[in-house]
Amino acid sequence: QTVVTQEPSLTVSPGGTVTLTCASSTGAVTSNYHPNWFQQKPGQAPRALIFGAINKHSWTPARFSGSLLGDKAALTLSGVQPEDEAEYYCLLHYGGAWVFGGGTKLTVL
Amino acid sequence: QVQLQESGPGQAKPSETLSLTCSVSGGSVSNYYCSWIRQPPGKGLEWIGYIYNSGGTTNYNPSLKSRVTISMDTSKNQFSLKLSSVTAADTAVYYCARDDIGVSGIMYWGQGTLVTVSS
Repeated sequence: QTVVTQEPSLTVSPGGTVTLTCASSTGAVTSNYHPNWFQQKPGQAPRALIFGAINKHSWTPARFSGSLLGDKAALTLSGVQPEDEAEYYCLLHYGGAWVFGGGTKLTVL
Repeated sequence: QVQLQESGPGQAKPSETLSLTCSVSGGSVSNYYCSWIRQPPGKGLEWIGYIYNSGGTTNYNPSLKSRVTISMDTSKNQFSLKLSSVTAADTAVYYCARDDIGVSGIMYWGQGTLVTVSS
């Protein structure tokens, strides 16, 4: 059973920078896992932010960036805004199947 | 703009089969990976599976594989989910989703529909 691990919760101050990570139980996360990142606010469907580890969608705010950091996928928010408070999920590809991480609850305080 | 809309009964009884349909507008289901994802109340997202082209490739979450069937009707621009032998643990918001050209993963999401399993 493949497990994708994210920080359960993080807190950041408005205007600050925070990095969320996404680890795989199978080892280092590479571009072959096609990391995706999603934002979900209460009562809403998830919204796609990043695909292919580093690529933004047309609607993704510039302050969001994706990367591979060490052996993990990472999502960095620079200049955090109050509206960035949300749950963030990563998604990894395993030879045809996809697995979501458990999510990171980001609090902006 | 691609839009997805889930439809189907909001309730199911234990041991029955849950059936949902996703209607796609503003784009096609053909030649795209069309997925189902669910989210139990207060919990995280779980990928259920995808279909690529009608009668084509399917791939399911191993933990659900024995109970899941995803199919596609290209003439209606829809794809569907059937989950058999449901229990209370299958109570969740069910989302349909689709990728896009050059996007490996999920790009477009439906708004989700809550299905409650209860006798």
